Amino acid sequence: KAGVTQTPRYLIKTRGQQVTLSCSPISGHRSVSWYQQTPGQGLQFLFEYFSETQRNKGNFPGRFSGRQFSNSRSEMNVSTLELGDSALYLCASSLAGTSGSTNTDTQYFGPGTRLTVL
Amino acid sequence: AQSVAQPEDQVNVAEGNPLTVKCTYSVSGNPYLFWYVQYPNRGLQFLLKYITGDNLVKGSYGFEAEFNKSQTSFHLKKPSALVSDSALYFCAVRDVINAGNMLTFGGGTRLMVKP
Repeated sequence: KAGVTQTPRYLIKTRGQQVTLSCSPISGHRSVSWYQQTPGQGLQFLFEYFSETQRNKGNFPGRFSGRQFSNSRSEMNVSTLELGDSALYLCASSLAGTSGSTNTDTQYFGPGTRLTVL
Repeated sequence: AQSVAQPEDQVNVAEGNPLTVKCTYSVSGNPYLFWYVQYPNRGLQFLLKYITGDNLVKGSYGFEAEFNKSQTSFHLKKPSALVSDSALYFCAVRDVINAGNMLTFGGGTRLMVKP
């Protein structure tokens, strides 16, 4: 099975612009989560989508948004980019039919998109 | 709120020696615990997880981890380190009652294995 794929792998933008990142989950996986990785803050959860619905959201401003399509592919969008948005954005997929204690699934991560904001 | 601590920023070990990477956690309910490894310019690669049952969990590449409920720890171990094990290791916890599918990560520990 192919792993989680993310496009593009590298992106350079300037302050004030917006950006869209894409994630294709492992075939059959219906949950997609997004994480931001920075040297200062580490790995932080952005949001999770399941069946085209946002199921959980981290503590990020409204400039960060996402969506999921019927084929489980997901996109995240960052508007009005700031220098501090420079980070590695990681997407993870899992089967995750439920979000409670019956969900013992593993999240598998893609290679990430490296976003640099100048 | 759930949290994870990895008290060592870096662990140095000689090739062939045993290694331990430490992790402690805090959750309000039962924890699901994970270890991931990250190589340069790569995403996170799953190593192993603890859900329930035997406290000693075996994973990929000869790694294992021991769940200790009383000490709220989930240390990663390997009996004999390889130079190729040098990478960044992350411990993560999922609070299945209060946080859905969200993983909370520790700050990471850089493992350096010297020949």
